[in-house]
Amino acid sequence: QSVLTQPPSVSGAPGQRVTITCTGSSSNIGAGYDVHWYQQLPGTVPKLLIYGTRNRPSGVPDRFSGSKSGTSASLAITGLQAEDEADYYCQSCDSSLRGVFGGGTKLTVL
Amino acid sequence: EVQLLESGGSLVQPGGSLRLSCAASGFTFSSYAMSWVRQAPGKGLEWVSAIGGSGGSTYYADSVKGRFTISRDNSKNTLYLQMNSLRAEDTAVYYCAKRSWYSGSWYDDYWGQGTLVTVSS
Repeated sequence: QSVLTQPPSVSGAPGQRVTITCTGSSSNIGAGYDVHWYQQLPGTVPKLLIYGTRNRPSGVPDRFSGSKSGTSASLAITGLQAEDEADYYCQSCDSSLRGVFGGGTKLTVL
Repeated sequence: EVQLLESGGSLVQPGGSLRLSCAASGFTFSSYAMSWVRQAPGKGLEWVSAIGGSGGSTYYADSVKGRFTISRDNSKNTLYLQMNSLRAEDTAVYYCAKRSWYSGSWYDDYWGQGTLVTVSS
């Protein structure tokens, strides 16, 4: 049982927009801690996708964007491409500065 | 270029011990916190432990507290995870990651390739 809750799967057709939600509590996201997102392509190491809720590391396309409201956060992917098919994880902190992850969301590009 | 190379993973019996290492290069190791994250086969990511740049602050997930110890040797640019009283549920790929801080939260900006720990009799 992960501390942060994500939908197990989402899907979309090429070119469409999909969103992945990440729901926490007043102990983590709701306490004001930022949310970060990771992309794990099949058989590879997780890669940082979004940090500080809405910032993209160098090299990450602007098709990926993040937002946060209250105890939840969202990752939006626009102009969906086949290469976006992967597992996506959200991460935040708790009041003890320990990391917490979501259970992960598998994105399928139809 | 940041590089993180884990080692030490192997097959170990329940109740046994293992020490993982992570050799870092490409950045000023002592200036950054580091973490361990694990992923059981076919499962999601689980945060395990973290340590401050000087080694003075350590953090553990409840699932490993009292059994695992994180440490670092800044003179060798190496991070460690001592794992004792291992259980079957500790079976996973263990990743070390470099931590960065942004506006009130830690995140892991670089990850190693991982090392597999299998706990089984």
